[in-house]
Amino acid sequence: SQQGEEDPQALSIQEGENATMNCSYKTSINNLQWYRQNSGRGLVHLILIRSNEREKHSGRLRVTLDTSKKSSSLLITASRAADTASYFCATAFTGTASKLTFGTGTRLQVTL
Amino acid sequence: DTAVSQTPKYLVTQMGNEKSIKCEQNLGHDTMYWYKQDSKKFLKIMFSYNNKELIINETVPNRFSPKSPDKAHLNLHINSLELGDSAVYFCASSQVAGRIYEQYFGPGTRLTVT
Repeated sequence: SQQGEEDPQALSIQEGENATMNCSYKTSINNLQWYRQNSGRGLVHLILIRSNEREKHSGRLRVTLDTSKKSSSLLITASRAADTASYFCATAFTGTASKLTFGTGTRLQVTL
Repeated sequence: DTAVSQTPKYLVTQMGNEKSIKCEQNLGHDTMYWYKQDSKKFLKIMFSYNNKELIINETVPNRFSPKSPDKAHLNLHINSLELGDSAVYFCASSQVAGRIYEQYFGPGTRLTVT
């Protein structure tokens, strides 16, 4: 079964607003990663957070990880039209850190 | 300059045929992967090679045969193609030694089986 479930499945916001996406998983992880996929393109790595970390930032991105709740969130601040894409969380199990299991994805639409 | 490249970008073929997809990475990574993304955008790992050795082999029909001639290349050959094989196939690579687990993806190959 799928490791990561994302919420919401789709999100539509206006430019300048913040977007928050959530990911839940089921078993112990080594790390959790977020990827972006633009329509018709490959996935692009955004950020990796390890199981012993609670929060990471990268530019306008902020990722949190709560291992007690087995959940993570991705916050995109001051969104832009160019942020329109699908966002996936991917988890690596403890012991198989190179094997990623992808979530269902959140489709983000940022309108002008 | 392309980090992970795949050829071809599109494949249209009939049931029963066989096709190959090639992947090359110029990042010096030690591990390469094949993923399948279905029409609902669900992405699932199929195979992974580390330094030319198979390390991940998910429940994939044996009609799919990966081959890694060297650690910069990972090809995927598919025999007896079926309608259900229609999907986008992504190649990816990462540097596992040194515990750097970010994966870099190719642009994908859209396979359509008619």
